[in-house]
Amino acid sequence: AQKITQTQPGMFVQEKEAVTLDCTYDTSDPSYGLFWYKQPSSGEMIFLIYQGSYDQQNATEGRYSLNFQKARKSANLVISASQLGDSAMYFCAMRERTRVYNQGGKLIFGQGTELSVKP
Amino acid sequence: DAGVIQSPRHEVTEMGQEVTLRCKPISGHNSLFWYRQTMMRGLELLIYFNNNVPIDDSGMPEDRFSAKMPNASFSTLKIQPSEPRDSAVYFCASTHIAGGPYNEQFFGPGTRLTVL
Repeated sequence: AQKITQTQPGMFVQEKEAVTLDCTYDTSDPSYGLFWYKQPSSGEMIFLIYQGSYDQQNATEGRYSLNFQKARKSANLVISASQLGDSAMYFCAMRERTRVYNQGGKLIFGQGTELSVKP
Repeated sequence: DAGVIQSPRHEVTEMGQEVTLRCKPISGHNSLFWYRQTMMRGLELLIYFNNNVPIDDSGMPEDRFSAKMPNASFSTLKIQPSEPRDSAVYFCASTHIAGGPYNEQFFGPGTRLTVL
């Protein structure tokens, strides 16, 4: 069965410093996508970054980068130069190819990591 | 461009009442998902549709829950009768099937349901 594990329930980081949020996954499918979403206290789910299983390079989006280690089945999110507005819950998610080609597929979420940025 | 639209944003109802949640996906998206978020179970898929057809409803808790997608721009999730354990935030998300597992899903703002 597919599974996403986030082992850090809560993290603290000083403003302007970098922080790494851990994510490991388990799947037997060679084709999958890995996503990170941010959920601020207002409740909406904001897409941050994704990594495809066949991508050779680590994904980057502004201050967000994904440290993808396929052999270790990890997809850690790195936030550089933390800002107070980065305080939120962060969810790692995986989406698998379905049995029927291009059927898309559901997201499987980890339990989340609550990040607090200290001034 | 409008994002995924959900209504109502908040719903408070009494046990036994029927509740209907509504979702309008992003125009052009042909895959729609209903997720539920609770403290105990986190975020979990209830059901999803591709081209208005239900593909996976294995997450629907029981017969009290039903979902429909009569056309490409509208979906409903109905709970009848509602119970206190149904209290949660219900998210609708949409994406385009093309691209397989690599397309991000765009989430609506959610409906916070409280069943008393």
